Amino acid sequence: LAKTTQPISMDSYEGQEVNITCSHNNIATNDYITWYQQFPSQGPRFIIQGYKTKVTNEVASLFIPADRKSSTLSLPRVSLSDTAVYYCLVETGNTGFQKLVFGTGTRLLVSP
Amino acid sequence: DVKVTQSSRYLVKRTGEKVFLECVQDMDHENMFWYRQDPGLGLRLIYFSYDVKMKEKGDIPEGYSVSREKKERFSLILESASTNQTSMYLCASILAGSYEQYFGPGTRLTVT
Repeated sequence: LAKTTQPISMDSYEGQEVNITCSHNNIATNDYITWYQQFPSQGPRFIIQGYKTKVTNEVASLFIPADRKSSTLSLPRVSLSDTAVYYCLVETGNTGFQKLVFGTGTRLLVSP
Repeated sequence: DVKVTQSSRYLVKRTGEKVFLECVQDMDHENMFWYRQDPGLGLRLIYFSYDVKMKEKGDIPEGYSVSREKKERFSLILESASTNQTSMYLCASILAGSYEQYFGPGTRLTVT
């Protein structure tokens, strides 16, 4: 069971790049790393997922070092609407859904 | 767009009542989940189902049961509601082989 550790909160300003790092020391070979975003009074929303190296989509980038014991979600040029809680999740295939651990997430506050 | 709907956004029940929380998804996803979310504890998995009539316990199944009679519908049942079950309940679904979970808007349950 790969537990994740993230900072509880982060502050930023509009236009800055934000990097949120997640630690998952016990990640297994078959595990993927997934990040979700949650706004108040809404369910979480998938942002990005990766296995190793770097993944980029229209919303964010995900950097995963070779040992895969951590990962960093990078949000370029944040805006006020990026204020949310971000969850790092380690997932094990279809047979391992009972192992899902969301953690407490990182509360990002973006100020003008 | 995948849509996951939950029967109620807000629900108030009395201690000892039987409570049904309904979740419906419209994208033919095999896997469905129930989580609860509490301040400081993040999301915790209660139960999940990978097929009709199939169910598996998550991390905190005590005090809950589930029912999956149709592929699109996954119900969470509180046989005898207690005040410590006051929480936000989130339903999610995912296509088999995918890692992107789709969440419903949540049901905020208050047990008095």
